[in-house]
Amino acid sequence: QVQLVESGGGVVQPGRSLRLSCAASGFTFSSYGMHWVRQGPGKGLEWVALISYDGSNEHYADSVKGRFTISRDNSKNTLYLQMSSLRAEDTAVYYCAKGRGSGAGAVDYWGQGTLVTVSS
Amino acid sequence: DIQMTQSPPTLSASVGDRVTITCRASQSISIWLAWYQQKPGKAPKLLIYKASSLESGVPSRFSGSGSGTEFTLTISSLQPDDFATYYCQQYNSDPYTFGQGTKLEIK
Repeated sequence: QVQLVESGGGVVQPGRSLRLSCAASGFTFSSYGMHWVRQGPGKGLEWVALISYDGSNEHYADSVKGRFTISRDNSKNTLYLQMSSLRAEDTAVYYCAKGRGSGAGAVDYWGQGTLVTVSS
Repeated sequence: DIQMTQSPPTLSASVGDRVTITCRASQSISIWLAWYQQKPGKAPKLLIYKASSLESGVPSRFSGSGSGTEFTLTISSLQPDDFATYYCQQYNSDPYTFGQGTKLEIK
C-alpha cells in the first residue's frame, strides 16, 4: 500500500534553514507529481509546492517562493523540501502528498506530517 | 491567484441530515476541484476529484457537483463518522489554493 513518511522536522531559529524528506513506497514514485502542503497550528490547509513526476517542473506558493525549494530523487523514491530564511509564520505541520497524476492534480495520499517550529 | 471561498465556515447538523457545503472560485477553474475531509490530528483524506468523481473507497453518500466557479459537496445522510472539517482545493492553475474549510459539527 502507499506509504509516505516525512522526516526532518524540528525547532529552528528564525532565518535558519531546514530540509524535510519524504520516503515513498507502495507505488511507482517516478510516475507521479508530488506536493508539500502545510497546516499552521489551528489553521487550514495551505498548499506549498508541487514537483512534476520527472522533476522538470516546480510550482510554489507565493508565501514561500524564493525561500523554499522542492526536489526529488526518483532513484531513492524520496521527496525533499529545502526551507531557508525561515520565519515564525512557517511554523506548521508539513505534509508530503502524492498527486493523482504526473503533474498538477488532486492529492490522493498524504503522509502523517512533520512539525516544523520556527522560534528563537 | 485564484481565491477559494467556502460556505458556511461552520455547519451544525444531526445524524441522518442531508448537508451541502459550497465552494466558490474567484475565476473559472473548469472542473479542476477536489474535496477533502480532515479529522483532528489526522492527515486529510481525498473524497472527490474533478468536481464530481468519487475517490475509490469513499461512501456513495458523498457527492460533488459544479463547474466553472461554483461547486458543492453534498452528504446525503450524515453518519457519525462524517463530523469533521472539509476543504475544497482548486488545481486548475498554481498556486493550487485551498478553501478556508467548513467545520461540520454535531447539533
